[in-house]
Amino acid sequence: GESVGLHLPTLSVQEGDNSIINCAYSNSASDYFIWYKQESGKGPQFIIDIRSNMDKRQGQRVTVLLNKTVKHLSLQIAATQPGDSAVYFCAESNMTTDSWGKLQFGAGTQVVVTP
Amino acid sequence: DAGVTQSPTHLIKTRGQHVTLRCSPISGHKSVSWYQQVLGQGPQFIFQYYEKEERGRGNFPDRFSARQFPNYSSELNVNALLLGDSALYLCASSTWTGNTEAFFGQGTRLTVV
Repeated sequence: GESVGLHLPTLSVQEGDNSIINCAYSNSASDYFIWYKQESGKGPQFIIDIRSNMDKRQGQRVTVLLNKTVKHLSLQIAATQPGDSAVYFCAESNMTTDSWGKLQFGAGTQVVVTP
Repeated sequence: DAGVTQSPTHLIKTRGQHVTLRCSPISGHKSVSWYQQVLGQGPQFIFQYYEKEERGRGNFPDRFSARQFPNYSSELNVNALLLGDSALYLCASSTWTGNTEAFFGQGTRLTVV
């Protein structure tokens, strides 16, 4: 079946550098995408979302890019800090169907920030 | 305002037993979804409830059931527990809008022995 997947299971980043986390999705009907951060022992924390009618959306230190042509999503974290160490998930949904609340998650990328 | 709250935080059950997990959504949120997260994997969708009706169901056996109450809180029930049901069970609440964000609770860690 169709699924959301991540390219890199682990990403090591030096403190202060920028991080880029990639995500590939295969469900062309998906029109809403979310990035979550999950720290050990906690539930996923909402970071930023983007709808399919947008290519880019910025938040505080984070930017999400959506390339619908190649079905690719990325999360950029500027000036990565130790507190950014966590597992990052992308998730997709179709807001136009009755299953709008069904988020399909990828396997996640472990981000490790080194001093 | 309180976020999504789940209880209990940890639970140990024996194979074959039944378990009930509880979730209180963010005030004003009428939709609750349940997810199962096995260690090392992303969350997998189990159920979505909105206005006390089931709106979506994932690929889980009939041993899994849920319901939503008039105050929008929800319960997830799992019967005849298997070792493979050991996981973190997450509840997410959201509003019924065109640009909804799903907010997750801290989860219930279920261990089946």
